Amino acid sequence: SQQGEEDPQALSIQEGENATMNCSYKTSINNLQWYRQNSGRGLVHLILIRSNEREKHSGRLRVTLDTSKKSSSLLITASRAADTASYFCATVPNYTGANSKLTFGKGITLSVRP
Amino acid sequence: NAGVMQNPRHLVRRRGQEARLRCSPMKGHSHVYWYRQLPEEGLKFMVYLQKENIIDESGMPKERFSAEFPKEGPSILRIQQVVRGDSAAYFCASSRTAPDEQYFGPGTRLTVT
Repeated sequence: SQQGEEDPQALSIQEGENATMNCSYKTSINNLQWYRQNSGRGLVHLILIRSNEREKHSGRLRVTLDTSKKSSSLLITASRAADTASYFCATVPNYTGANSKLTFGKGITLSVRP
Repeated sequence: NAGVMQNPRHLVRRRGQEARLRCSPMKGHSHVYWYRQLPEEGLKFMVYLQKENIIDESGMPKERFSAEFPKEGPSILRIQQVVRGDSAAYFCASSRTAPDEQYFGPGTRLTVT
């Protein structure tokens, strides 16, 4: 079953606008990671946020995590046409043992119009 | 520092043949993960390995699929007697420690005809 569920499924914005993508998950996590995938390519790691963190920044990216609501958001500020891609959230569960596998959502398709 | 390497990038096999997918992790990374992506879907975990050990294979189909990560050389995902439903993109990722950021290779796109 899907652990991460992204929302919305598709987002179309104008260059320069901000893009906000949301992710909800079901079980307790160790960390949550956001990835970008350009069409037909591999995944690029964007940011990792641990369960004891609430917010992280990386360049134009801002990620928040609310463990009480089991949700995360990814904000891309001042979007560019090159940000057009699919974005995935993925979680690592919080249990002992082999706890490193990522569980992905279905992804959000972001289109940034020039 | 080279990223995660996967080869081949594209692989075409007829039904019943074997497919071998290779993954070389990033330098200094001893944790390797394999994921499969079907068209229009997210990635699904298959197997997690450390050198010479399978740590978690809960996502691997019970038959025809196997994975290894030998002491020397790349990690191999092997699919025997491929069927059309095996057509997908197979991604390998590696991490230095676990749980930690996982860095993905470009993927191998398997087409079964």
